[in-house]
Amino acid sequence: DTEVTQTPKHLVMGMTNKKSLKCEQHMGHRAMYWYKQKAKKPPELMFVYSYEKLSINESVPSRFSPECPNSSLLNLHLHALQPEDSALYLCASSQDKKTGILGEQYFGPGTRLTVT
Amino acid sequence: GENVEQHPSTLSVQEGDSAVIKCTYSDSASNYFPWYKQELGKRPQLIIDIRSNVGEKKDQRIAVTLNKTAKHFSLHITETQPEDSAVYFCAASIGYGNKLVFGAGTILRVKS
Repeated sequence: DTEVTQTPKHLVMGMTNKKSLKCEQHMGHRAMYWYKQKAKKPPELMFVYSYEKLSINESVPSRFSPECPNSSLLNLHLHALQPEDSALYLCASSQDKKTGILGEQYFGPGTRLTVT
Repeated sequence: GENVEQHPSTLSVQEGDSAVIKCTYSDSASNYFPWYKQELGKRPQLIIDIRSNVGEKKDQRIAVTLNKTAKHFSLHITETQPEDSAVYFCAASIGYGNKLVFGAGTILRVKS
């Protein structure tokens, strides 16, 4: 099973709202990722978790707050977003490079976020 | 910083023809090079990858070649079909951590 799931599929939120995106995988992967993708652009890395610890933060604004409650789950908490944050938010997972080899990254279907 | 350049940005081919997409990378420590296909409204899907210890890898109509000396890698699709139409992204690992750097993408159109 190479499936990563994400909820919700679509989300519309106002600039004062607080919402969360959720991601789940059951492949035993210990590296999990959040990416942001704008239309016609490549995925842009936001955060990387390695063994449930935040290992990379690509200078993402604090209105995005990631959380990794356990090895299968990854959340992205959203607060006070701006209209320019509207995008497709993709979760991915892979075998962790600590095992010696960077594993294949598998993407979830994404959450289409619109900030009004 | 590390970057991956991808060319061409758009590519139109006739059904049955071959398509080639090329990428160059800057980090000499890069050792993993995946290719993703993304159809409209869908997730990026891993279609093939190559590691630095091999020069070529094939999977049916798809092949990837790697030239480590020149820091080039390419995707080759033979006997293209309309369902190959999508955006293709190359990527390269960077020297530390679990990180990929993506190319800007190539829109492939296969005309029937």
